[in-house]
Amino acid sequence: AQKVTQAQTEISVVEKEDVTLDCVYETRDTTYYLFWYKQPPSGELVFLIRRNSFDEQNEISGRYSWNFQKSTSSFNFTITASQVVDSAVYFCALSETTGTASKLTFGTGTRLQVTL
Amino acid sequence: SQTIHQWPATLVQPVGSPLSLECTVEGTSNPNLYWYRQAAGRGLQLLFYSIGIDQISSEVPQNLSASRPQDRQFILSSKKLLLSDSGFYLCAWNPHDRGTTGELFFGEGSRLTVL
Repeated sequence: AQKVTQAQTEISVVEKEDVTLDCVYETRDTTYYLFWYKQPPSGELVFLIRRNSFDEQNEISGRYSWNFQKSTSSFNFTITASQVVDSAVYFCALSETTGTASKLTFGTGTRLQVTL
Repeated sequence: SQTIHQWPATLVQPVGSPLSLECTVEGTSNPNLYWYRQAAGRGLQLLFYSIGIDQISSEVPQNLSASRPQDRQFILSSKKLLLSDSGFYLCAWNPHDRGTTGELFFGEGSRLTVL
């Protein structure tokens, strides 16, 4: 069975600090996809990134960057120079590649609080 | 562009009452549709998914059911609510041809409180 672990329940940082959110996954699939979502206080989940298991290149998008390491089954997310608007719950997810639907397994989320 | 809507946004229901949550996707055809539940302080749990009209798959045995009467409409129902049904329900979709590889796009969510 697939599993996603986000060990950090809650993180508090001061604005402009860098913060890394950890994600560790378990799967028996050789091909799989990893995702990060942001859930602001409004509740809607906002898609941030998708990464397939064959692409271990790190990715940077503005202040966001992702570090995928297959050897340690980790897909960590770093926010550089955090801002108050980054305050949200962040979810890491893993998809099964069997069947025809995108069945995502989510971690329990990390609540990030950025203060002035 | 594609949009997804859920309603009602908030619902307070007594134990034993029925439930109907609706989700509609616009701007696409034959989407895959999903219902997730987020209990307080926990991650998201997949409840149902559908790859086509009247094709519903259940992931977790429970007090809920799902139906897809039209291509872009997905309904979550219960005949008799339990206290444990309280939570935040999220509908999601992705293009059918993206199947297992694509990201999901979520609606605004429906917060259900069962008293």
